[in-house]
Order: sequence, then structure tokens, then C-alpha cells
Amino acid sequence: KAGVTQTPRYLIKTRGQQVTLSCSPISGHRSVSWYQQTPGQGLQFLFEYFSETQRNKGNFPGRFSGRQFSNSRSEMNVSTLELGDSALYLCASSPISGSSTDTQYFGPGTRLTVL
Amino acid sequence: AQSVTQLGSHVSVSEGALVLLRCNYSSSVPPYLFWYVQYPNQGLQLLLKYTSAATLVKGINGFEAEFKKSETSFHLTKPSAHMSDAAEYFCAVRVYNQGGKLIFGQGTELSVKP
Repeated sequence: KAGVTQTPRYLIKTRGQQVTLSCSPISGHRSVSWYQQTPGQGLQFLFEYFSETQRNKGNFPGRFSGRQFSNSRSEMNVSTLELGDSALYLCASSPISGSSTDTQYFGPGTRLTVL
Repeated sequence: AQSVTQLGSHVSVSEGALVLLRCNYSSSVPPYLFWYVQYPNQGLQLLLKYTSAATLVKGINGFEAEFKKSETSFHLTKPSAHMSDAAEYFCAVRVYNQGGKLIFGQGTELSVKP
């Protein structure tokens, strides 16, 4: 089975621009979560989607948004980029949402650099 | 609120020595705990997870962890370090009643000296 794929792997943007990152979960997985990883703040939860609905949201400003499509693929969007948005964005998928035995499988991440 | 704390941001061991990475949790409900490993420029890979079955959990690559409720700990161990174990390790807790949301510790970077 193919793993979680994220595109693009690397991205360079300038302040004020917007960006869209894509995540394709493992086949059959319906839950997709997004995390931001920075040296200062570590790994922080952004949001989770399940069956095209946002189930949970982390503590991020409204500039961060996401969606999930009927095939479970997910995108996240960051508008009006700031320097502090430079980070590794990780996507994780799991078969269902919230099961105690569920495992989240992570993709390789998208490295976003904001200049 | 649930949280995890990893003691020591950097740990260095010699090849063949015991690896011990510390994780303490805070949770008012029975926690579900995970250890992930991250190699440079890669995503996170699950090493093992505790979901209230056995308290001693065996994972991949010879790692294991023991859930100790009395000490609120879930330390990761490996009897003999290998050079390929050099990576960053994250302890995480699944947030109760919030789907798949994980809260991660700050991570521990493991160095292995020849």
C-alpha cells in the first residue's frame, strides 16, 4: 500500500502571498490531520478532517484553513503568509477518527519557506 | 488538559549502550500514548503505542516502552543502540474526545557515538 503523499515537498513564497498544500492519505483512510512543525514551537495540531467535515481545529489564526474532498484527499491553505509561517507541514491519515487503537500515519511533509 | 513532557532535548549514547528516552504524561483520563521517530528531512514514523492493553509495549527496531501509571511515565528504551537509531524521538498523547488529535512533547534528539 502506498503511504501518505504530500505535494509539493518544498515551497518558497514571499510574505503576503498565499499557499496551498496537498495531502493524499493511504488508500481507504478517511481521516486526515495536519500539523505544523517549527524549531521553536515543536509539533502543533492544525486541524482534522473526517468524511469531508472538519472535526477538530487547533489554535491557529483564520489564515489557516483546510478542506477534504470526497476521495479523502485534503488540502490546507495559508493566506497572507508571514515569516513565522515558515515550517514543515505534516499530514497524517488514519482509517477512522477517534478510535483508541487508531494509528496516525504521517507523510514526509512539505517544507514551506516564507521570505 | 492532557500533555506530555520529554526530559532532555538531547541524549547521547555510545553504540551498543542502553537507550533511555524519558516521557511523562499528564492526563485525568486513561491516556493513549505513542512514540514516533523522525529522521532528517522525513515525516514521523510510529515506533509503538499504548492503548491500555499490556503495560509493556514492544515496537519496531527493538524499541519498547513501559506504561507506569504510578509514575505517569512512558519511557522508551532499547537495550543496545545502533548508529541508525540517531534521530529525533517524539512522545505523544491522544487528546480525549477530540478525534485523532495528538499532543506532542518537544522531542529528544538521540546521537549515537561510534
